[in-house]
Amino acid sequence: NAGVTQTPKFQVLKTGQSMTLQCAQDMNHEYMSWYRQDPGMGLRLIHYSVGAGITDQGEVPNGYNVSRSTTEDFPLRLLSAAPSQTSVYFCASSRGIWTTQETQYFGPGTRLLVL
Amino acid sequence: AQTVTQSQPEMSVQEAETVTLSCTYDTSESDYYLFWYKQPPSRQMILVIRQEAYKQQNATENRFSVNFQKAAKSFSLKISDSQLGDAAMYFCAYRSPRPGTYKYIFGTGTRLKVLA
Repeated sequence: NAGVTQTPKFQVLKTGQSMTLQCAQDMNHEYMSWYRQDPGMGLRLIHYSVGAGITDQGEVPNGYNVSRSTTEDFPLRLLSAAPSQTSVYFCASSRGIWTTQETQYFGPGTRLLVL
Repeated sequence: AQTVTQSQPEMSVQEAETVTLSCTYDTSESDYYLFWYKQPPSRQMILVIRQEAYKQQNATENRFSVNFQKAAKSFSLKISDSQLGDAAMYFCAYRSPRPGTYKYIFGTGTRLKVLA
């Protein structure tokens, strides 16, 4: 198993450009989520999905869109990049929230710089 | 709303010694999950240990153990026999068990330095 993969690893954007951060998992996990990590602020939840076709907003959803057409993939779209979106983005997945053995697996992160 | 606080931005420990990282949280729920995650320089987030609030026994994973004080809403991580590979950012996290809830709340992290 590759686990959770994210592409690209690093990206530079100009203000106003759009792009999609890719996230995929091969563990057949129902639950997937996107976080951003900023210095001194820990990880903050952007969007999450509890299954294919179902998504919901997290703590900081503005400026981001998500969709979940398959169990494996959960892309994050920046519609019009802003310097405030400069951050490190992590994708995570877990088997379910109903089990006591639930563990969240993280991808390696995508570092995004918006100029 | 739940909050997680890590009041130690940075800690240092001598190799082979023991260090304790602090975490406090605020919630009105009686049942929940608490986690410690490690983030080494590679930036990968790695689960270190997990505690269910309904369990009175403190979780232990090899050299890592927690001191869970539910009444005080405290969840500290003890690392015994510290190794150079333990150097990383450590994040405390909270999750509600309520059905349909899938929101983790993370603290701001503690950077652990291990001195040779």
